[in-house]
Amino acid sequence: GNSVTQMEGPVTLSEEAFLTINCTYTATGYPSLFWYVQYPGEGLQLLLKATKADDKGSNKGFEATYRKETTSFHLEKGSVQVSDSAVYFCALQDTDKLIFGTGTRLQVFP
Amino acid sequence: NAGVTQTPKFQVLKTGQSMTLQCAQDMNHEYMSWYRQDPGMGLRLIHYSVGAGITDQGEVPNGYNVSRSTTEDFPLRLLSAAPSQTSVYFCASSSPDGVTSSYNEQFFGPGTRLTVL
Repeated sequence: GNSVTQMEGPVTLSEEAFLTINCTYTATGYPSLFWYVQYPGEGLQLLLKATKADDKGSNKGFEATYRKETTSFHLEKGSVQVSDSAVYFCALQDTDKLIFGTGTRLQVFP
Repeated sequence: NAGVTQTPKFQVLKTGQSMTLQCAQDMNHEYMSWYRQDPGMGLRLIHYSVGAGITDQGEVPNGYNVSRSTTEDFPLRLLSAAPSQTSVYFCASSSPDGVTSSYNEQFFGPGTRLTVL
């Protein structure tokens, strides 16, 4: 069946460092792909999405490109801030369900 | 717009007790779902509904019941709570994207933290 694999965390960075969080997927066809973010004590919110191959989703300085050749959707940000500290979830749309990865905790220190 | 609301925020139960977690949305979304979040396991789908009167099982449905009598509400019932049901529960809603058979982004509630002793 369809699945999502994320790199394990926590990822610990200094402010202004470059961020990459890896996400790969297994799926039949070309499902929509998402990154959700969960700030401490809150629910998940959509960060960005891509609905077809080679699409790039972007929001708040974060980017991810839908790569069908490598079945990947890695999340990147050029310069992280302390306020980016959160848990990040990669997910794919499986018709009427969302399938989530296990989440990657990002900790950014000043 | 309140979005997706969940009550209660926190709950402590004893093994064998029953309770209902409430979820409501005011966005007229047809799709609603319940997830549980456990450390190291991400979010796992418990039950979902594609419209009033229609429900289906997700990945981990055992021990939980749902019903969908209105578009707005999607309560989750624990019939006889067990310690393994200690978790954070999230409700989410979405709408069809109108082009494919898929759905738009899901909007999540703030969660209910449940502890079963």
